[in-house]
Amino acid sequence: SQKIEQNSEALNIQEGKTATLTCNYTNYSPAYLQWYRQDPGRGPVFLLLIRENEKEKRKERLKVTFDTTLKQSLFHITASQPADSATYLCALDMMSGTASKLTFGTGTRLQVTL
Amino acid sequence: EAGVAQSPRYKIIEKRQSVAFWCNPISGHATLYWYQQILGQGPKLLIQFQNNGVVDDSQLPKDRFSAERLKGVDSTLKIQPAKLEDSAVYLCASSFQGGMNSPLHFGNGTRLTVT
Repeated sequence: SQKIEQNSEALNIQEGKTATLTCNYTNYSPAYLQWYRQDPGRGPVFLLLIRENEKEKRKERLKVTFDTTLKQSLFHITASQPADSATYLCALDMMSGTASKLTFGTGTRLQVTL
Repeated sequence: EAGVAQSPRYKIIEKRQSVAFWCNPISGHATLYWYQQILGQGPKLLIQFQNNGVVDDSQLPKDRFSAERLKGVDSTLKIQPAKLEDSAVYLCASSFQGGMNSPLHFGNGTRLTVT
């Protein structure tokens, strides 16, 4: 069956370091992959979208890579700040019956400390 | 632009009671989604509308859940009767287009507790 896997354990890093979050998927080849940020008590907020023919996408301190051979996306936050502390969700289009729908991973909680 | 509006923010009901959630998407967004997010999990799609037609409701428990989107704008999601396992946050989202390359804009959700 199709699966999306994100590290369920929280990632703790020091301010100023680079945070790297992983999203792995199996038994599917998505055309797009999206990353969202979710703060407690809030809905997810869109951050970046990367297409299958793109290896890397950047936005300010954020960088996303997409390796369709490894079936993996990496999400990097450089020069991390305490304000970056949140849960980060990856999402990709997955087939369900005859429809394609955006399916989310369980998310990884990032904690940036001083 | 104004974001996706949802109400109520919180709801506590007893099992077997009914409940309804309301969503007003971003103006001009044709596609509307309802997601269920259980604590510690990612959002799970319940139903997707394109204008006022249903695109996908394959994961909607149709024996107790129903949703409608009248006039292709606002939407309501209803649960009747509620079960304990329905305790979750119900998120509404909208997008300009329905394709997978169109980012979703989420509301802050309704937290439902079933006792």
